[in-house]
Amino acid sequence: GQQVMQIPQYQHVQEGEDFTTYCNSSTTLSNIQWYKQRPGGHPVFLIQLVKSGEVKKQKRLTFQFGEAKKNSSLHITATQTTDVGTYFCAGRQGGGTSYGKLTFGQGTILTVHP
Amino acid sequence: GAVVSQHPSWVICKSGTSVKIECRSLDFQATTMFWYRQFPKQSLMLMATSNEGSKATYEQGVEKDKFLINHASLTLSTLTVTSAHPEDSSFYICSARDETGRRGLSNQPQHFGDGTRLSIL
Repeated sequence: GQQVMQIPQYQHVQEGEDFTTYCNSSTTLSNIQWYKQRPGGHPVFLIQLVKSGEVKKQKRLTFQFGEAKKNSSLHITATQTTDVGTYFCAGRQGGGTSYGKLTFGQGTILTVHP
Repeated sequence: GAVVSQHPSWVICKSGTSVKIECRSLDFQATTMFWYRQFPKQSLMLMATSNEGSKATYEQGVEKDKFLINHASLTLSTLTVTSAHPEDSSFYICSARDETGRRGLSNQPQHFGDGTRLSIL
């Protein structure tokens, strides 16, 4: 079945440093979504990428979808303490049924030291 | 925005008890809802897809007789953990997509409930 690998598992940064998490799928994806989960909270949708090579920005966050639609990355510029949390990618396999089943990556736990 | 309500937030009960968790879409319709389980510092693992008016679709390795799912209306899905044991202790989260008058459902983001922390003693 489809597997979505995400690295690194943990990332500790000093406030102001950049952060990147990478996501790699074993199969071609129709789209990929990114979620953030704060400690003790539930995942919150950040963004969705659909097109091959797509790049989207949200303030200090930059999301990329690979040309082959099998990998993706999230980059945060100049991290802040409010960025703390676990970042998950979630991919939907191309083709098949349309009920939107997502496969989540393992997540990257980001801690930011002030 | 789309809101998903999950109840209860916390459950602590004795081994052998059955626990029912509700997932409601408050301001949209959802023919499909998803149930996940998350262990500490781990990813979300899809347990089953709840389909309104029909049987749920369970992922491999998930016991359908253990985790009963009912999706009786367009806004409510329930997960019942039957005869719960300590190994069933986990964080259970539901999600739903806003399907109201939309096409291309596969591209819609999932909205998550707040989750239910289940502890079986």
